[in-house]
Amino acid sequence: SQQGEEDPQALSIQEGENATMNCSYKTSINNLQWYRQNSGRGLVHLILIRSNEREKHSGRLRVTLDTSKKSSSLLITASRAADTASYFCATARVKLVFGAGTILRVKS
Amino acid sequence: GAGVSQSPRYKVAKRGQDVALRCDPISGHVSLFWYQQALGQGPEFLTYFQNEAQLDKSGLPSDRFFAERPEGSVSTLKIQRTQQEDSAVYLCASSSRRQGEYNSPLHFGNGTRLTVT
Repeated sequence: SQQGEEDPQALSIQEGENATMNCSYKTSINNLQWYRQNSGRGLVHLILIRSNEREKHSGRLRVTLDTSKKSSSLLITASRAADTASYFCATARVKLVFGAGTILRVKS
Repeated sequence: GAGVSQSPRYKVAKRGQDVALRCDPISGHVSLFWYQQALGQGPEFLTYFQNEAQLDKSGLPSDRFFAERPEGSVSTLKIQRTQQEDSAVYLCASSSRRQGEYNSPLHFGNGTRLTVT
């Protein structure tokens, strides 16, 4: 069973627009991580945010974490066609547990 | 250096056959994980090794699934008497940290797509 749930399940935007994906989870965590998966490939780690952090940036990525609401969001700014992929949040406690993912399509 | 390597990339098995999936983790990585990913879903945890010790196999769906990492490097996931519901992508990941020390990312291979006919 999966701990996290991403919202929306699918998102289609134009190149240059921002993309926001949300993740909700159920139990307390040590940290939360976001991964990207291109079609037919393995997952690639994007960013990790610790449970005592509220916001983190990495290039065009911005992640927020609200432990009181047990939710996180991933913002990709100025999206590019190459950002087209599935995005997964993963919560870390005893083991890393993944959500079902958001499919992002960026149209050029 | 080289990333996590998995072989074969694709495997077609007839129902009832045994299969063996191989994972070559990043050299020196202590932790190795196997995940199962069904179409359109996120990866589901199967089992975890710290060096050669299998510390967690709580995600293995049945006793037909068996994993080993005898020398603490290469790992093999074996599925006996395959069934159609075993069709999925099997992902291997490695990390330099021990489980519970999730301050470093998992490095994933590209997976083995298993189709049971």
